[in-house]
Amino acid sequence: GAGVSQSPSNKVTEKGKDVELRCDPISGHTALYWYRQSLGQGLEFLIYFQGNSAPDKSGLPSDRFSAERTGGSVSTLTIQRTQQEDSAVYLCASNRDSTPPYFGPGTRLLVL
Amino acid sequence: AQSVTQLDSQVPVFEEAPVELRCNYSSSVSVYLFWYVQYPNQGLQLLLKYLSGSTLVKGINGFEAEFNKSQTSFHLRKPSVHISDTAEYFCAVGAQKLVFGQGTRLTINP
Repeated sequence: GAGVSQSPSNKVTEKGKDVELRCDPISGHTALYWYRQSLGQGLEFLIYFQGNSAPDKSGLPSDRFSAERTGGSVSTLTIQRTQQEDSAVYLCASNRDSTPPYFGPGTRLLVL
Repeated sequence: AQSVTQLDSQVPVFEEAPVELRCNYSSSVSVYLFWYVQYPNQGLQLLLKYLSGSTLVKGINGFEAEFNKSQTSFHLRKPSVHISDTAEYFCAVGAQKLVFGQGTRLTINP
């Protein structure tokens, strides 16, 4: 079956622009997670969805970051007014029950 | 709160030699523990997991890990590495959201 997919795979944008990153989880997975991987910071948790609700958004670094999930499936992470420090790989993962999270290939974001 | 410490940022080994990647965790609740591998320019792939039961866990690609509650460790081992094992390895703890260690870069020399 298909794994977690993310789009775009690479994104280059200019400082100050908004970007949207998309995640398609594995079908039937009720939980969805966003992580950020950057040099020197390792893997940072951003937000967790259970269904369409986000019971834990404690990792979002600022109010420029937001995420939503619709239909218990696709999720979009939006970064407004991007800054150079937002450059990173954004990883999405999904799971159900107590299975381990399965990760997508990531979106590599570069803010110039 | 939960935390993970990977004691080595880089581990160089020769091909066919054994390797151990160290991981210590801190958690105030029952833990689920994981090792993930990340090959260059790819996402994370699950190597193995400990949820409960036997403390020796076997994973893919010949890797295994042992859960040691008294030492709060979950070290990853492989008896004989191959060039293809060159990657970054992450230890993680958690039930839903995972807390990751900083990663260990494993390089295999011929």
